[in-house]
Amino acid sequence: GNSVTQMEGPVTLSEEAFLTINCTYTATGYPSLFWYVQYPGEGLQLLLKATKADDKGSNKGFEATYRKETTSFHLEKGSVQVSDSAVYFCALSDDGGSQGNLIFGKGTKLSVKP
Amino acid sequence: ETGVTQSPTHLIKTRGQQVTLRCSSQSGHNTVSWYQQALGQGPQFIFQYYREEENGRGNFPPRFSGLQFPNYSSELNVNALELDDSALYLCASSFRAGGDYEQYFGPGTRLTVT
Repeated sequence: GNSVTQMEGPVTLSEEAFLTINCTYTATGYPSLFWYVQYPGEGLQLLLKATKADDKGSNKGFEATYRKETTSFHLEKGSVQVSDSAVYFCALSDDGGSQGNLIFGKGTKLSVKP
Repeated sequence: ETGVTQSPTHLIKTRGQQVTLRCSSQSGHNTVSWYQQALGQGPQFIFQYYREEENGRGNFPPRFSGLQFPNYSSELNVNALELDDSALYLCASSFRAGGDYEQYFGPGTRLTVT
């Protein structure tokens, strides 16, 4: 079945460091891919998405490119801030581009130190 | 703030009991999805309701059931609680009018089964 695998955390970085969180997926067909962020005490928020191969999603300095050849959707940010500390989830949906049935990875906790 | 609220915030129940969790969607949203997030795991899709009818279900037994009401609120009911039901339960609402729609997550209800 469909699944998402993302790198284990926690990840601890200093402010202004470069961030990469790896995400790979297994799916039939052409799923849409998402990154969600969960700040402490809050619900999940959509960070960015890509709906077809080679699409690049971006938001708040974060980027991820849909790579069909490597079945990957790695999250990157050039310079992290303390406010980026949160748990990041990679997810896919094979529901025709909708988000009706999201399949999530286990999450990666990011801590950014001043 | 996503405009989606859930109640209660925390709940403690005993094995074998029944529980009802509530979600208030954004005004006008016709779709609600429920997810279970065990500690250290990503959310898992339980089911979705669209216009008050169940519209997709994940790998959860029938003792997990739901309702969606015309006033944009919804319920998740779990009968015969088991210890493994201890988790954070998230609802997500959206307005489904076509292929691609964004889900807005609530902060969740933390259920502990003892």
